[in-house]
Formats: sequence, structure tokens, C-alpha cells
Amino acid sequence: QVELVQSGAEVKKPGASVRVSCKASGYMFTGFYLHWVRQAPGQGPEWMGWINPNRGGTHYDQKFQGRVTMTRDTSMNTVYMELSRLKSDDTAIYYCARAPSSGYSVFDYWGQGSLVTVSS
Amino acid sequence: DIVMTQSPDSLAVSLGERATINCKSSQSILYSSSNRNYLAWYQQKPGQPPKLLIYWASTRQSGVPDRFSGSGSGTDFTLTISSLQAEDVATYYCQQYYGDITFGQGTRLETK
Repeated sequence: QVELVQSGAEVKKPGASVRVSCKASGYMFTGFYLHWVRQAPGQGPEWMGWINPNRGGTHYDQKFQGRVTMTRDTSMNTVYMELSRLKSDDTAIYYCARAPSSGYSVFDYWGQGSLVTVSS
Repeated sequence: DIVMTQSPDSLAVSLGERATINCKSSQSILYSSSNRNYLAWYQQKPGQPPKLLIYWASTRQSGVPDRFSGSGSGTDFTLTISSLQAEDVATYYCQQYYGDITFGQGTRLETK
């Protein structure tokens, strides 16, 4: 069965960076795009960008350009999302989610979420 | 960015009754060459990630009960639950994937 398993909760200080991992299993890792979506407390989901695990190509939402980096390790079937220069309003649950392609971005499987808390 | 606006923000419906949630996009999300609307609906319960219900505005995801249906085209869309069950209490989000992805603000559905 398809599973996306994410790394655990993190507490970071403002200005620091955080890296969240998402390990995929149960399907062909290089056959689906992986997206990152975050959700602040009491808010709706907010899309951050995607990575194509096949060739490593990425596309980020303009809001996060320059602060976010998505990478993958095909030997580990794992993608990573690093967010730098953290601010208090980056406090959120960060999800990875699978989509069939860049032009067909509906999310049929989600990770369990990783809580990132930014606090001094 | 395409702005997605849902209405109402919250809704209380009696068990067994119909629930209707609306979603409006700031521009058309109908791709003319394919005649497909790039709209999805998700259900989210507390402490869980969103769950895909509907895509292409009206195609039900595998395993989703047929009391859930989606309709609409262009800029105006609707999610309908034909007979509300207790397990349907959740927050519902629309999402467009025509351009860079954006979500609606959510509609909280409760029982009356």
C-alpha cells in the first residue's frame, strides 16, 4: 500500500532553517510528483511547491522562492523540504503529498504531517 | 494567483439532509482544449491530512461514497452531500490546479 512517512516535529528559533523528510513506499517513487503543502493553526492548506523525483526538477510558489529547497534521494525513496530564514508565521504542519504529474496536481496520498514550531 | 472563495464559512445540516458547499474561482479554471475543470475537493478531519474526494470538478475518487458529488464549470462549483452522515462532519476545501495551486479558505460542516 502507498505510504508517505514524514520526519518528526521540530522546534526552531527565528532565522534558523528546518529540513523535513518524506519517505515514500508502496509505489514507483519516480512515477509521481511530490508536493509540499503547509497548514498553519486554524488555517486552510497552503501550497509550497513540487519536486519531480525522476529528474529532480522543482517548481516553487513565488511566496517561498529563495527560501525553500526541495531535493530527493532516489536510493532512499525520500524527498526533503528545507525552509530557511524561519519566522514565527512559518509555524505550521508541513505535509508532503503525491500527485500524478505537474499538470494534474490532485493529491491522492498525504504524509501524516510534520509540525514545525518557530519560537524564540 | 487564482483566488478560491468558498461559501458559506460554516454550515449546520441535520443528519440525512442535503449539504451544499460552494466554491468560486477568480478566473475560469476550465481548460478549453480538454474541456476539463481543474478543480478538486478535499475533506479534512481534526488531526488528519486532507482526503481527496473529487477531481476534475465531478469525478469521484475511488472509495468515496456516492453521496458525495461535484458539479459546476468555469468559475462556479458545488460540492453536494446528498444525505449527511455523522462521519461527514469535517472541514471541506476546494483546490484549483489550473495554475499554481491554491485552496479555498474552507467550509466547516457540522450537524444541526
